[in-house]
Amino acid sequence: AQKVTQAQTEISVVEKEDVTLDCVYETRDTTYYLFWYKQPPSGELVFLIRRNSFDEQNEISGRYSWNFQKSTSSFNFTITASQVVDSAVYFCALSGSGYSTLTFGKGTMLLVSP
Amino acid sequence: DAGVIQSPRHEVTEMGQEVTLRCKPISGHNSLFWYRQTMMRGLELLIYFNNNVPIDDSGMPEDRFSAKMPNASFSTLKIQPSEPRDSAVYFCASSPTANPTGEQFFGPGTRLTVL
Repeated sequence: AQKVTQAQTEISVVEKEDVTLDCVYETRDTTYYLFWYKQPPSGELVFLIRRNSFDEQNEISGRYSWNFQKSTSSFNFTITASQVVDSAVYFCALSGSGYSTLTFGKGTMLLVSP
Repeated sequence: DAGVIQSPRHEVTEMGQEVTLRCKPISGHNSLFWYRQTMMRGLELLIYFNNNVPIDDSGMPEDRFSAKMPNASFSTLKIQPSEPRDSAVYFCASSPTANPTGEQFFGPGTRLTVL
């Protein structure tokens, strides 16, 4: 069975602070894929990133960066210099081999105050 | 390009009534997913279609829930009879591929309230 744990239910920061959202996963598959989605207050789910289990290189996209560590089964997400528009619920998700269903974590609500 | 389209966006109904949620996936996508989101349980996969065929319906809560995909451009999720505990946001998502690398594109959701 697959499982994704986002231990942080809610995080509050002040604008321009850096913030890291944690994600720990469990899977028996040797090939798997990890995702982050953003759900702003408007409600839609927005894809942010996908990583496969063979690529442990960290990735940076603007103010966003992701740290994939297979040894600790973690796929953490860092926002540098946070902005009010980053306020949202962020979901980590896992897809195993076979077919493309996603197992989601419970999400972390990020509130960035001005 | 149009994204995933869901209708209605909001639905309020009374317990016992039939509810039908509709989804139009992105053209050319061959996988379609129905999810339910609640505060208590988070995002749960209800059912997954590939090429209009249901592949995994293990997440469908009970017989009151049914889903169909009569063609590549349309799917429905029906609840009959509805109960207050069905109140949730229901998302439809589509993907251009059946394999796990595929990004899923989500619709805006239908917020269902059963009184």
